[in-house]
Amino acid sequence: QVQLVQSGAEVKRPGASVKVSCKASGYTFTDYYMNWVRQAPGRGLEWMGWINPNSGDTHYAQKFQGRVTQTSDSSITTVYMELRRLKSDDTAVYYCTRGGDWDAFDIWGPGTMVAVSS
Amino acid sequence: SSELTQDPAVSVALGQTVRITCQGDSLRSYYASWYQQKPGQAPVVVIYAKNKRPSGIPDRFSGSSSGNTASLTITGAQAEDDADYYCNSRDSSDDLSRVFGGGTKLTVL
Repeated sequence: QVQLVQSGAEVKRPGASVKVSCKASGYTFTDYYMNWVRQAPGRGLEWMGWINPNSGDTHYAQKFQGRVTQTSDSSITTVYMELRRLKSDDTAVYYCTRGGDWDAFDIWGPGTMVAVSS
Repeated sequence: SSELTQDPAVSVALGQTVRITCQGDSLRSYYASWYQQKPGQAPVVVIYAKNKRPSGIPDRFSGSSSGNTASLTITGAQAEDDADYYCNSRDSSDDLSRVFGGGTKLTVL
């Protein structure tokens, strides 16, 4: 079945970087964009950006430009999201989600908790 | 970036009909999609392209749109519909970007 499996929880110090992975299976990896969405504790969903695994093209929310990099490795059907210069308010659950037909985020990973604390 | 505005909380009696709305300039040009999220779980898409339902989503969920407002309607709300609901659409100032509404907490009484 179609699924996204994400890497495990992370604890980071302020100023550090984190790289979260998302492995896709059950569909043609290069046929769909992958998006990243985060959710701080008790807060709403926040879209971070997307990557086209076929071309490597990316587009990020203005808020994260210069601090985030999304990459993909088609040989292992995995996308990555790296966030640098972490701050305490980057503490959140980070989700990968597939961009399906008609702009729907149709498949979601289980989320990866990233805690930033000194 | 553009914004999508949702009421923070809505309640409905069991079995009754409830409408959750999402307002924003981008909705005049782009479809909204709707996501249900229960505590400790990843979101699930319930409506996309204004009124398409993924397989497995009950037909009591429907969507509509008029002007700058998109709506999610639950006809005959069930206890299991008690959840947070988020709308999403493209950003009107940058159509390669996406934006979520702030979310609506639906309580089924």
